[in-house]
Amino acid sequence: RKEVEQDPGPFNVPEGATVAFNCTYSNSASQSFFWYRQDCRKEPKLLMSVYSSGNEDGRFTAQLNRASQYISLLIRDSKLSDSATYLCVVNDNDMRFGAGTRLTVKP
Amino acid sequence: NAGVTQTPKFQVLKTGQSMTLQCAQDMNHNSMYWYRQDPGMGLRLIYYSASEGTTDKGEVPNGYNVSRLNKREFSLRLESAAPSQTSVYFCASSGSLLTEAFFGQGTRLTVV
Repeated sequence: RKEVEQDPGPFNVPEGATVAFNCTYSNSASQSFFWYRQDCRKEPKLLMSVYSSGNEDGRFTAQLNRASQYISLLIRDSKLSDSATYLCVVNDNDMRFGAGTRLTVKP
Repeated sequence: NAGVTQTPKFQVLKTGQSMTLQCAQDMNHNSMYWYRQDPGMGLRLIYYSASEGTTDKGEVPNGYNVSRLNKREFSLRLESAAPSQTSVYFCASSGSLLTEAFFGQGTRLTVV
């Protein structure tokens, strides 16, 4: 079993749609969690950290479920500019990335 | 403030050649990482350094060596390049092993 697993997609959604991504992890001792965004042929950039209580940043909401060992990212009112690959990161003293979920938002 | 700087940005090597990828950060971060990303795939951790003077293997360390030269610099060396090492290499740094990482712009390496 991979340490960090994501649905690879692709997700193709119309503008304004709500889309959710999930990511499961195998190491129950993992201590910190993040969502990154990667545009084609660019470096990953931090989208948001994921806290136990859940957190929201504008149209983006991240959740952590330690009991079931998964994290989620919800994007509301999606924009064309949200098209990218979204990478979940699980950190247990070494930062491990999921393979990424590709999102395309269409007009 | 440059953040994380990687050199070179592009490189073509012949099979068997050696080279060193350089990475430097100016954020006074303790931890540094090297990843590779193959087409259509996520990032795989090659080596990381929790702090100056320490290095540890990641998921795919075979064929690579690293040096944490000082707090700012973390280099990745390919002693004898193979076509399977054709990839995009990213260096990253973070304040600690548990905080978010910031990435360099990547090195696109082709081994022919």
